[in-house]
Amino acid sequence: QVQLQESGPGLVKPSQTLSLTCTVSGGSISSGSYYWSWIRQPAGKGLEWIGRIYTSGSTNYSPSLKSRVTISLDTSKNHFSLKLSSVTAADTAMYYCARVGQHGFNPFDSWGQGTLVTVSS
Amino acid sequence: SYVLTQPPSVSVAPGKTARIPCGGNGIGSKSVHWYQQKPGQAPVLVIYSDNDRPSGIPERFSGSNSGNTATLAISRVEAGDEADYYCQVWDYSSDHLYVFGTGTTVTVL
Repeated sequence: QVQLQESGPGLVKPSQTLSLTCTVSGGSISSGSYYWSWIRQPAGKGLEWIGRIYTSGSTNYSPSLKSRVTISLDTSKNHFSLKLSSVTAADTAMYYCARVGQHGFNPFDSWGQGTLVTVSS
Repeated sequence: SYVLTQPPSVSVAPGKTARIPCGGNGIGSKSVHWYQQKPGQAPVLVIYSDNDRPSGIPERFSGSNSGNTATLAISRVEAGDEADYYCQVWDYSSDHLYVFGTGTTVTVL
């Protein structure tokens, strides 16, 4: 049973870069059968897909965040990372990492517990 | 971009059936997934590909999808089913790729 765990600073200053890591256990991030994604949820609001990365390093990002987002992976550490630049209060949210099958019609079948990031000076 | 619309809330008495609609243009031609999110917890997949249940999800959870509406049904509702529920599809026609519904809070009376 694969498990995902987010980690990173819980507080980021406005205009700085938010950096989070998702460590995967119980399975290899290099398996080739999955994409690895980031999803966020502001308090009291819905889920927003941020982006995904494949084992090849190929990425796709939400158009609304594309200019500020970078997702990368480190197969030697079995983890993948999110960087979101020039953050504002609007980026305050719970951030989840999740696994999704390589076919577009596949669901997000495993999620991390989430990590709360607050943007404030 | 593709939009999925859900009612903000649904109330149901214990033992009855809750039905949560998810509206989207031509959603019947897409594969719909449903997630349950309890307060303070991460979402959990309860239905995938319209009407398949992951291992460990009770048979009380079922789904349907036709035309412009997909529906999650929870039969014999229990207090433990109180949660937010989100539908989700893959929008291959745009760069948004993964689209979530607006979410529905199910309250057990």
